[in-house]
Amino acid sequence: EVQLVESGGGLVQPGGSLRLSCAASGFTFSSYEMNWVRQAPGKGLEWVSYISSSGSTIYYADSVKGRFTISRDNAKNSLYLQMNSLRAEDTAVYYCASGLDRGLGSFDYWGQGTLVTVSS
Amino acid sequence: EIVLTQSPGTLSLSPGERATLSCRASQSVSSSYLAWYQQKPGQAPRLLIYGASSRATGIPDRFSGSGSGTDFTLTISRLEPEDFAVYYCQQYGSSPPPFGGGTKVEIK
Repeated sequence: EVQLVESGGGLVQPGGSLRLSCAASGFTFSSYEMNWVRQAPGKGLEWVSYISSSGSTIYYADSVKGRFTISRDNAKNSLYLQMNSLRAEDTAVYYCASGLDRGLGSFDYWGQGTLVTVSS
Repeated sequence: EIVLTQSPGTLSLSPGERATLSCRASQSVSSSYLAWYQQKPGQAPRLLIYGASSRATGIPDRFSGSGSGTDFTLTISRLEPEDFAVYYCQQYGSSPPPFGGGTKVEIK
């Protein structure tokens, strides 16, 4: 069974940093591309970042470019999102989502999300 | 950058009725790289349709997708109680892969 489990969310002050993790199991992680998607309270879905199966191709939404860094460790079946210079508008549930490596394909599997709250 | 507009914002229907949800793109979506997701309260989204019309694994055949170019439709032929949720369309295949604003299907 495919499982994606996010962790690392919490309360952080504006300007602070947080590192999210996504632990994958039940599939060959190194063959799957990965994404982070967020959802602000009561709002819709917003794509945040993409990383290819090998890690060689990375994309970011303009809203997080220069502040967030996506990475992965295929040996540990894990995906990460380093978030720096956090703002109130980054407050959201952050989901990791995966799909077979087709070059930014559909998001076939999703984790349950981790809540990030940016507030003083 | 493609913008996806979903309509209506809310659809009020009764179980057993047919639901028709629209997703319109600001530019043509290449190779029908259009997906639909379902999200229930407190849950993660779930992939329903990819490639505009292909059902994901385990998705009942009452869900169907159609369309090409800039106009896409998700149809639920007969609403079951578990189908009342929010539905999002998404363009993929190039960065950024935007989502539409969502359509809430609620019980009338």
